[in-house]
Amino acid sequence: ETGVTQSPTHLIKTRGQQVTLRCSSQSGHNTVSWYQQALGQGPQFIFQYYREEENGRGNFPPRFSGLQFPNYSSELNVNALELDDSALYLCASSLEARVDSPLHFGNGTRLTVT
Amino acid sequence: AQSVTQPDIHITVSEGASLELRCNYSYGATPYLFWYVQSPGQGLQLLLKYFSGDTLVQGIKGFEAEFKRSQSSFNLRKPSVHWSDAAEYFCAVASYNTNAGKSTFGDGTTLTVKP
Repeated sequence: ETGVTQSPTHLIKTRGQQVTLRCSSQSGHNTVSWYQQALGQGPQFIFQYYREEENGRGNFPPRFSGLQFPNYSSELNVNALELDDSALYLCASSLEARVDSPLHFGNGTRLTVT
Repeated sequence: AQSVTQPDIHITVSEGASLELRCNYSYGATPYLFWYVQSPGQGLQLLLKYFSGDTLVQGIKGFEAEFKRSQSSFNLRKPSVHWSDAAEYFCAVASYNTNAGKSTFGDGTTLTVKP
């Protein structure tokens, strides 16, 4: 059973640029949730995708957008990067969008914006 | 709105000593509570969860947690800490009307284990 994989592991971007982060969900999982984890803080919910549809969004501006593909892998796109976007971005997949469906996290993508 | 407070930013314990990490939540309805562990450079791993029933829940790696509704707390405990337990620990809360993926996390407690 393949776990949740994220790519790339690290990247450095310049303020104003755009970035795409990728997440392959665990086999059989139809739900992917994305989080931003700033240094010294807990993960903050960005949004969730369930069966290719957005299924809820946290307090993030529209320049944070996403996609989920038919194989349930997912992308997080961030436009017009700001210095405060520097963080660890985590994705987590789950079998279903239910409270009793455990989250399986990837190891994250470390984004640095200069 | 739901929120989670982990009052201790950093805790240091000696190997073999007992451990308690505090978590306080704020949520109007029945909370669904989780503890996760994050090792450096890794994602989060679920240690245990509380949904209902017995207020003392057992998890992996010898951890347990007790839900106390009157105190709005869900503290994590381990009787004897191992050096490999050094990591960051996060408490999280969700509701039945949302799902685990929309959990609100605390800011974490970093555990250092002294030899």
